Amino acid sequence: DTGVSQNPRHKITKRGQNVTFRCDPISEHNRLYWYRQTLGQGPEFLTYFQNEAQLEKSRLLSDRFSAERPKGSFSTLEIQRTEQGDSAMYLCASSPDRGFNEKLFFGSGTQLSVL
Amino acid sequence: GNSVTQMEGPVTLSEEAFLTINCTYTATGYPSLFWYVQYPGEGLQLLLKATKADDKGSNKGFEATYRKETTSFHLEKGSVQVSDSAVYFCALTSPGNTPLVFGKGTRLSVIA
Repeated sequence: DTGVSQNPRHKITKRGQNVTFRCDPISEHNRLYWYRQTLGQGPEFLTYFQNEAQLEKSRLLSDRFSAERPKGSFSTLEIQRTEQGDSAMYLCASSPDRGFNEKLFFGSGTQLSVL
Repeated sequence: GNSVTQMEGPVTLSEEAFLTINCTYTATGYPSLFWYVQYPGEGLQLLLKATKADDKGSNKGFEATYRKETTSFHLEKGSVQVSDSAVYFCALTSPGNTPLVFGKGTRLSVIA
């Protein structure tokens, strides 16, 4: 497999701007997850998709955060009106749909810096 | 809700030393337990897992045993190498499509 790909690797933006990140999962994986990781903390779950259906979005940090996976392949995570507190590493992961204890394959992340 | 507590780092060891990183959990039902590792500049990757009580997960010389009576999943390695320097995350998930929940991570540095 070619692995989970995330773009861009780094994003620097000014407070108040909108940003969008892209994740390309491993091609045969049905599930796609977004996590956020701040310095010194473990990854924090945000949302996940099974194919194109977003099955859990209550953990998105605010209504400024939204995610899509329109054709069940790649996904985008958008943050509107960014704030300095949004600065973090945003991680994407994918897995096949074989049950709750299947391992996740993570991308290298997008590092967001809000100035 | 589900949560994981792991020992604070950083941990610094000499090569060939014995490693233990403690992890305890709180969960409903019967969770599956995982250790993920993040090497410098790379994404998280699964190191080992255990899906039921008394199971032992093992990989690359690392081991962890699922202890339901003490709600623990401590990571051990008998002889660490410089290449084991990384951040280690304990994690769990449980039935019902609950998301994977991570601990804060423990940074390990192994010096020659």
